[in-house]
Amino acid sequence: SQELEQSPQSLIVQEGKNLTINCTSSKTLYGLYWYKQKYGEGLIFLMMLQKGGEEKSHEKITAKLDEKKQQSSLHITASQPSHAGIYLCGADDGGSNYKLTFGKGTLLTVNP
Amino acid sequence: EAGVTQFPSHSVIEKGQTVTLRCDPISGHDNLYWYRRVMGKEIKFLLHFVKESKQDESGMPNNRFLAERTGGTYSTLKVQPAELEDSGVYFCASSQDLSPGFSYEQYFGPGTRLTVT
Repeated sequence: SQELEQSPQSLIVQEGKNLTINCTSSKTLYGLYWYKQKYGEGLIFLMMLQKGGEEKSHEKITAKLDEKKQQSSLHITASQPSHAGIYLCGADDGGSNYKLTFGKGTLLTVNP
Repeated sequence: EAGVTQFPSHSVIEKGQTVTLRCDPISGHDNLYWYRRVMGKEIKFLLHFVKESKQDESGMPNNRFLAERTGGTYSTLKVQPAELEDSGVYFCASSQDLSPGFSYEQYFGPGTRLTVT
């Protein structure tokens, strides 16, 4: 079965700093999903990257998919306290139902 | 457009009791998924519906769990009888029609936090 490893497990940055979170898969990546979760809340969809290598940006967040490395990265530019939360990567199995496997998450703290 | 909704947000029950969780997907989404996160673990897939049909229930822990999606709209997940290890957060997600070779966004609900005492 597919496993996703996220790094780092936690991250503390000063407001305004850039940061990167990585997600490495044990198997070929098909669809790669990034979500954000605030404590006690649901998963907020951020971006989805398709197999083949892709890069997407939304506001100050950029996600990339490196098919050869079986890895995705999430980069936040000029972080703000509103970016704080748990970032989760998920990957589908490219099968018929696209069920997701998740990493354990990266806890991001942004200090003002 | 309303997102995925789940009810209740939190449920506390005693071991041996029954609990039913409900999920209302985004309107028009044929695909509905149930996931679960137990303490300290990653989110795990439970099952997948396409309209009212179960496509994949390989993640269901055991036969104490029963999921239904009558009429292909909302879904329920019943746990009977509940055990202590069933505690966790149960998430529902939905996505639009699937075409082979393309992934589609899965939108998650806020989750139901189940505590079995």
